[in-house]
Amino acid sequence: EDQVTQSPEALRLQEGESSSLNCSYTVSGLRGLFWYRQDPGKGPEFLFTLYSAGEEKEKERLKATLTKKESFLHITAPKPEDSATYLCAVQAKYNFNKFYFGSGTKLNVKP
Amino acid sequence: SQTIHQWPATLVQPVGSPLSLECTVEGTSNPNLYWYRQAAGRGLQLLFYSVGIGQISSEVPQNLSASRPQDRQFILSSKKLLLSDSGFYLCAFADGQVYEQYFGPGTRLTVT
Repeated sequence: EDQVTQSPEALRLQEGESSSLNCSYTVSGLRGLFWYRQDPGKGPEFLFTLYSAGEEKEKERLKATLTKKESFLHITAPKPEDSATYLCAVQAKYNFNKFYFGSGTKLNVKP
Repeated sequence: SQTIHQWPATLVQPVGSPLSLECTVEGTSNPNLYWYRQAAGRGLQLLFYSVGIGQISSEVPQNLSASRPQDRQFILSSKKLLLSDSGFYLCAFADGQVYEQYFGPGTRLTVT
């Protein structure tokens, strides 16, 4: 069964304290893995797409990496404005219209 | 640029009443369109998707239905709402040239 598990459920960091969020997945043929940021009461905002193991993408303080079983979202020197829920989703080759989402990691960065 | 709109932003409806949520996309043609529901503290659950006008695929059998009367319009409906229909409803689109889905601002539905 295709599924996505994110950990931890919640993470509290001090401003400037770097850390990583984990997304473990099982899927019958990965077409793409996606990271989104979601602020309270709003729709998810697209961050990255990763297609194959070994691939990395960066955007400001965020870097996403991908292996055959998991993806990490590394946050370097976070700021309070990075506080949000980060969602991971996978897309299977056999049905590219179906995204499997994890339940997210709620990040809180204290000043 | 591509944009996606949803309305209303919030809705409070009694049990047994009908529902109509609308989603429109601008700046692209023939997008794939999606309806999701997000329960509190949970991941997104795909409800319906559409690859063209009049083409609807249902992922979860339930009290809801979807329609696509125009290329960039997607509607989520119900004839009689249940308490369990409460949640945050999100519309998304994907351009056929890329893989990622882009989400609208969402509708918060509370069934009382």
